[in-house]
Amino acid sequence: AQTVTQSQPEMSVQEAETVTLSCTYDTSESDYYLFWYKQPPSRQMILVIRQEAYKQQNATENRFSVNFQKAAKSFSLKISDSQLGDAAMYFCALRVNTGTASKLTFGTGTRLQVTL
Amino acid sequence: EPEVTQTPSHQVTQMGQEVILRCVPISNHLYFYWYRQILGQKVEFLVSFYNNEISEKSEIFDDQFSVERPDGSNFTLKIRSTKLEDSAMYFCASSQTAYTEAFFGQGTRLTVV
Repeated sequence: AQTVTQSQPEMSVQEAETVTLSCTYDTSESDYYLFWYKQPPSRQMILVIRQEAYKQQNATENRFSVNFQKAAKSFSLKISDSQLGDAAMYFCALRVNTGTASKLTFGTGTRLQVTL
Repeated sequence: EPEVTQTPSHQVTQMGQEVILRCVPISNHLYFYWYRQILGQKVEFLVSFYNNEISEKSEIFDDQFSVERPDGSNFTLKIRSTKLEDSAMYFCASSQTAYTEAFFGQGTRLTVV
């Protein structure tokens, strides 16, 4: 079974500053993907970034980057130059390659507030 | 940009009634999913679907639930006899492969009264 843990229920960051959201996971599989999804007040789930477990290089998408530590099973999200529109719930998710349509396992989420 | 669309956006139903939630996945995607999120809680997996059959289902997905792909575009979730605890946001998702990123629809908020 897979588990995803987000230990920060809430975080706050000032506009233009940098914030890091933490995520740890557990799986016995070696072939998997990790994702961060953003859920704004509209409650839609928006993909922010993904990381393939076999890749050592950390993924980046514009102001969003990850710190993927495979041995430690850690997958944190860094948001640089935070903007008011970044305020949302952020969910870390794990997906294992089972050869079939495998499920996403989500963490409990971190609510990010962005202040002026 | 292709997107997953869900209808209706909000449905209110009486306890014991049947509801059908509809989804149109991204057209070249082959894998389809339903998730739900009770207000304030995390997103939970319900079922995955590929090649016209269920690939995996969670313990939540009991006999009251069923999924169907009635034609080449729609993917539906049916709840036969709704309970109060079925009130949640239901998300449809699709992916091109079995384990890469899944793209979510905007959700259907189901309220059972």
